[in-house]
Amino acid sequence: QKEVEQDPGPLSVPEGAIVSLNCTYSNSAFQYFMWYRQYSRKGPELLMYTYSSGNKEDGRFTAQVDKSSKYISLFIRDSQPSDSATYLCAMSAGSARQLTFGSGTQLTVLP
Amino acid sequence: GAVVSQHPSRVICKSGTSVKIECRSLDFQATTMFWYRQFPKQSLMLMATSNEGSKATYEQGVEKDKFLINHASLTLSTLTVTSAHPEDSSFYICSAREQNEKLFFGSGTQLSVL
Repeated sequence: QKEVEQDPGPLSVPEGAIVSLNCTYSNSAFQYFMWYRQYSRKGPELLMYTYSSGNKEDGRFTAQVDKSSKYISLFIRDSQPSDSATYLCAMSAGSARQLTFGSGTQLTVLP
Repeated sequence: GAVVSQHPSRVICKSGTSVKIECRSLDFQATTMFWYRQFPKQSLMLMATSNEGSKATYEQGVEKDKFLINHASLTLSTLTVTSAHPEDSSFYICSAREQNEKLFFGSGTQLSVL
């Protein structure tokens, strides 16, 4: 079993839809949780960064962390074609620890 | 967010030559940088962890003599692919860690070895 599981998709939604992306993990030591967006042939871009459990909102993006269930989510409201990319979840146990990445979910938002 | 500059963005070389890729943190000091390799439609594969002023730590299966990493300053790490062969063709990405745990990535380098 991988430390971090992420549905690879592909996921295809119409423009304006609410998108839900999820990751589960097995290591209870993880405390820092991140979501990255990666366009084709580009480096990943940090979208959301959260520490421990709870919600964080930034514009159309909301990140949720449920440590009791070892489950994290990224919600995208009013999705746009420009949101079409691969989304990677990542997490770490603390400072000086390397990140563990999910395998990425490929999202396509259709105009 | 912080900026990590990586170049070149694309390089095409002949088999047997060496290629150097640079990764710079532009507005913060990065004591730790990471190098990844990514194949089409796959996630990032960590190759090595680069610490300023010390030898890099390589992941299992990554040849340290093949992929030379130098982290001579707090803002610069380089990856040299020595005696490149077609099987080394891939997308290489670096990242740098800020002190508060945030990790920022370079824009990647597409290496094609003919």
